Amino acid sequence: DVKVTQSSRYLVKRTGEKVFLECVQDMDHENMFWYRQDPGLGLRLIYFSYDVKMKEKGDIPEGYSVSREKKERFSLILESASTNQTSMYLCASSLETSGSTDTQYFGPGTRLTVL
Amino acid sequence: SQKIEQNSEALNIQEGKTATLTCNYTNYSPAYLQWYRQDPGRGPVFLLLIRENEKEKRKERLKVTFDTTLKQSLFHITASQPADSATYLCALDPPSGAGSYQLTFGKGTKLSVIP
Repeated sequence: DVKVTQSSRYLVKRTGEKVFLECVQDMDHENMFWYRQDPGLGLRLIYFSYDVKMKEKGDIPEGYSVSREKKERFSLILESASTNQTSMYLCASSLETSGSTDTQYFGPGTRLTVL
Repeated sequence: SQKIEQNSEALNIQEGKTATLTCNYTNYSPAYLQWYRQDPGRGPVFLLLIRENEKEKRKERLKVTFDTTLKQSLFHITASQPADSATYLCALDPPSGAGSYQLTFGKGTKLSVIP
């Protein structure tokens, strides 16, 4: 079974702090994704990566950056946390399937609160 | 861009009945469509994938249909149980040739099965 783990289930930070959210997958998947999920807004893609050191902006990249130094690890960075970044953050991975998108496997999520 | 509508935010049904959830989309027709289940405070979990050339797909008590003319997928849970209570998300792959690995997710329908 694919396993996607996230470094924390719950996180509380102060406004202006730099925040790191870590995600690790153990199935040698090429693609990794970061979403945030808010009530009434659904899943929104922040960034994704289709290879080591490669990244692409999703729908809402402002205020975030990412890092993928190793294939199994994808980090989301909030450079200066703000209260409107309080949310559930979900990491996902998928196996590259030539010409089409594959099933995504999600981590358990990190509930981030910014005070 | 693709727009997805899932028929209602919440659906309540009696235990033992069949639950039917709807996913409608606009614009292009995806090559395939996926359904995920999400429990409170958890990441989505993949359930079923149906391709555009498949009319119907089954897995145990789950059935998915895909009508590219109507631009609609129906997700059925037969003999529903309280344990089926969760939020169900549909997801569509990007347009052919888009070179992207993103899925577009609907906002989900929260199903409650009442004993």
